[in-house]
Amino acid sequence: DIQMTQSPSSLSASVGDRVTITCRASQSISNYLNWYQQKPGKAPKLLIYAASSLQSGVPSGFSGSGSGTDFTLTISSLQPEDFATYYCQQSYSTPQTFGPGTKVDIK
Amino acid sequence: QVQLQQSGPGLVKPSQTLSLTCAISGDSVSSKSASWNWIRQSPSRGLEWLGRTYYRSKWYNDYAVSVKSRITINPDTSKNQFSLQLNSVTPEDTAVYYCAGDRAPFTVSAAFGIWGQGTVVTVSS
Repeated sequence: DIQMTQSPSSLSASVGDRVTITCRASQSISNYLNWYQQKPGKAPKLLIYAASSLQSGVPSGFSGSGSGTDFTLTISSLQPEDFATYYCQQSYSTPQTFGPGTKVDIK
Repeated sequence: QVQLQQSGPGLVKPSQTLSLTCAISGDSVSSKSASWNWIRQSPSRGLEWLGRTYYRSKWYNDYAVSVKSRITINPDTSKNQFSLQLNSVTPEDTAVYYCAGDRAPFTVSAAFGIWGQGTVVTVSS
């Protein structure tokens, strides 16, 4: 199985901050990488697919980059509704595996 | 707009079978361009993909090795839904279970773009 890691595991930030979350795969996955946002008690929501493509309806302040084994999710200016946990997930091979998550909370 | 609606019990006794159903609206379980998945989430295991069913002129299933001996995912074309059965459950199977749709599997755009609301399942006597 492909192992996914994320850093940091949590971070505290203020509204308006630029936030970057890193995801690393245990082997090359090309750009078969997705990002999700999850709020307490809710299902994950797809933000970014294919490493850098913005899912329909997702604000343009979210962006993704990377290829191979190293990827980043960037929130350009943190909004109050962005405080949540973020997960990366590889769709390169079965089983499709998720990272452990990065919790973004209010400083 | 595609929506998934989950149903099933929230409490299952050890050694029994966990059964959940996911009803699809706005798409078809027989779609030749989608896959229909089950994913669970627990504090100890995080988000864990369990398996999927999909139709490509015939039905296919893929399962995670961790549950392969205990899991069955079945489509129900008459009701446009799919189900999860997990046999011989233990407290380790306690989790929130989600159904999820991927409308571009086996492509670089493969992703779980549609999710059910989640079902909290507790395994306890």
